[in-house]
Amino acid sequence: KAGVTQTPRYLIKTRGQQVTLSCSPISGHRSVSWYQQTPGQGLQFLFEYFSETQRNKGNFPGRFSGRQFSNSRSEMNVSTLELGDSALYLCASSSGPGNQPQHFGDGTRLSIL
Amino acid sequence: QKEVEQDPGPLSVPEGAIVSLNCTYSNSAFQYFMWYRQYSRKGPELLMYTYSSGNKEDGRFTAQVDKSSKYISLFIRDSQPSDSATYLCAMSRGGGANSKLTFGKGITLSVRP
Repeated sequence: KAGVTQTPRYLIKTRGQQVTLSCSPISGHRSVSWYQQTPGQGLQFLFEYFSETQRNKGNFPGRFSGRQFSNSRSEMNVSTLELGDSALYLCASSSGPGNQPQHFGDGTRLSIL
Repeated sequence: QKEVEQDPGPLSVPEGAIVSLNCTYSNSAFQYFMWYRQYSRKGPELLMYTYSSGNKEDGRFTAQVDKSSKYISLFIRDSQPSDSATYLCAMSRGGGANSKLTFGKGITLSVRP
């Protein structure tokens, strides 16, 4: 069974640009969550999607947004990139909203120059 | 006070040692408790998953949850160099809008051959 797939693995952007990250969950999993991992703050929850609806949101500015498609695949968008957005962005999937455990992909490493 | 506190480490042990990793938490609403292992340049990999209090064993790994003390532990027996990684505790209230995982900062373990 294939795991959570995230693309691309690495991205380099400059301040002010925007970026879109993609996540394909484990087959049959319908809930997708996004997390940001930095050395200083650790892993922090961004948002969760189920049935194409955002179910839960963390404490991040509105520049961070996401969406989910009918096949459960999800995308995350960050607009007006700042240096502090440099991080590993991780996607996790589970069978349903509120269901545990969550299984993670290998992330997208975003570097802002 | 952070919701989840984890010993910062790093931790270095000889091969074959018993390793004890611990987390404390402040939110009594947490019901789901997980340990993830993260290798360099990879996403977190689920090691152990426990609901509510009690012990769970899987091979060389044992997870303990003491909800009365708000304390969880992961024990690794007969530690191997391949166990060298960062270990993250995570917990969730579970259900609907409470599905987000709250993580400890992680502890880096090195097992010396």
